[in-house]
Amino acid sequence: KAGVTQTPRYLIKTRGQQVTLSCSPISGHRSVSWYQQTPGQGLQFLFEYFSETQRNKGNFPGRFSGRQFSNSRSEMNVSTLELGDSALYLCASSLRPGNGYTFGSGTRLTVV
Amino acid sequence: GENVEQHPSTLSVQEGDSAVIKCTYSDSASNYFPWYKQELGKRPQLIIDIRSNVGEKKDQRIAVTLNKTAKHFSLHITETQPEDSAVYFCAASSLGGSQGNLIFGKGTKLSVKP
Repeated sequence: KAGVTQTPRYLIKTRGQQVTLSCSPISGHRSVSWYQQTPGQGLQFLFEYFSETQRNKGNFPGRFSGRQFSNSRSEMNVSTLELGDSALYLCASSLRPGNGYTFGSGTRLTVV
Repeated sequence: GENVEQHPSTLSVQEGDSAVIKCTYSDSASNYFPWYKQELGKRPQLIIDIRSNVGEKKDQRIAVTLNKTAKHFSLHITETQPEDSAVYFCAASSLGGSQGNLIFGKGTKLSVKP
């Protein structure tokens, strides 16, 4: 079966702009989590969604938001982009929250 | 909230030797501990996981041990091969609890020299 699909794979944005990233989980998976990966900070938790509800949120500013749709697809949005937002954004899905996650290939966001 | 510490940050071994990576966690409610391997430019992949009702789990050359009292768990790789070279991440979560999301350690870069 198809894995976790993230689009786009690469994105270049200018400071101050906003961006929307998309994640389609494995079929049947209802839990989706988002992580920011940077060389210095590793994998930092952004949000977790299950059945369209945000269950948990990490320590990121309000510029970072997300949502999950009825088909379990998820989007995350970052407004007023800053240079420090440059990172690999990974989405992971699982059958239930916290269980064995399968990661997507990520979206590489570069803010210039 | 949960905090996961991982050591060492880098590890270099000779092919055929064993490698051990250790993690400690802070939240006694955590009950699920997966390990992920991330090769350069690729996605993290789950290689083994353990639940708190088990002390050890093995899968071929990979094993994970858990000490709930001390709140630490370790990844053991035996007979290392060059293809084991990657960054390894440990993580912890509380299945069934309100904090079901995975909290990751900062990773260990393992280099296996031929």
